[in-house]
Amino acid sequence: DPKIIQKPKYLVAVTGSEKILICEQYLGHNAMYWYRQSAKKPLEFMFSYSYQKLMDNQTASSRFQPQSSKKNHLDLQITALKPDDSATYFCASSHRDRGNSDYTFGSGTRLLVI
Amino acid sequence: GEQVEQLPSILRVQERSSASINCTYENSASNYFPWYKQEPGENPKLIIDIRSNMERKQIQGLIVLLDKKAKRFSLHITDTQPADSAMYFCAASAKGGRALIFGTGTTVSVSP
Repeated sequence: DPKIIQKPKYLVAVTGSEKILICEQYLGHNAMYWYRQSAKKPLEFMFSYSYQKLMDNQTASSRFQPQSSKKNHLDLQITALKPDDSATYFCASSHRDRGNSDYTFGSGTRLLVI
Repeated sequence: GEQVEQLPSILRVQERSSASINCTYENSASNYFPWYKQEPGENPKLIIDIRSNMERKQIQGLIVLLDKKAKRFSLHITDTQPADSAMYFCAASAKGGRALIFGTGTTVSVSP
């Protein structure tokens, strides 16, 4: 059973549209993260949330907005999509009080913007 | 933001030889240094880690060395096998024990 669920697995979007990437974790973790992986920048850190509060934002563009409706959810809304946004987006989670040794990745959402 | 440098980007070795990957980090407060292996089409998976209170750690054929003074750590894969072919990422804990910051990755190719 996957402990971190990311939906959808594959996503094709039209330039200028808006999409939401879903992430749910069932590991009892209190911190969640988003990373982007492309050929240009492997595993680029985007956001971190802890107890549903934004802890760190390394994404320059406001087109990327994380949304946490529950403590085990961290979705990623992307607006005004561009072809350069094409990448695999990984969600991860950990328990902050355990020193990150249980840092776990979801299976990713592969986004293609045409 | 904080950066982790990783070299080489590509590493080709013969089966049963050793493979070494080196990383350097910026933040002297970093205290956790994991290594992840990523197969094509898969997510990154933790293979070994080391904390700042250690200098060396070994799990079977994987050895991690940490030099805090030089802010450098390395992964050594001994007795490589074709199954070790993958992308490898080093990482360091960001300040405040928050998100992991990853290196740029090393593609390891082990030929029979």
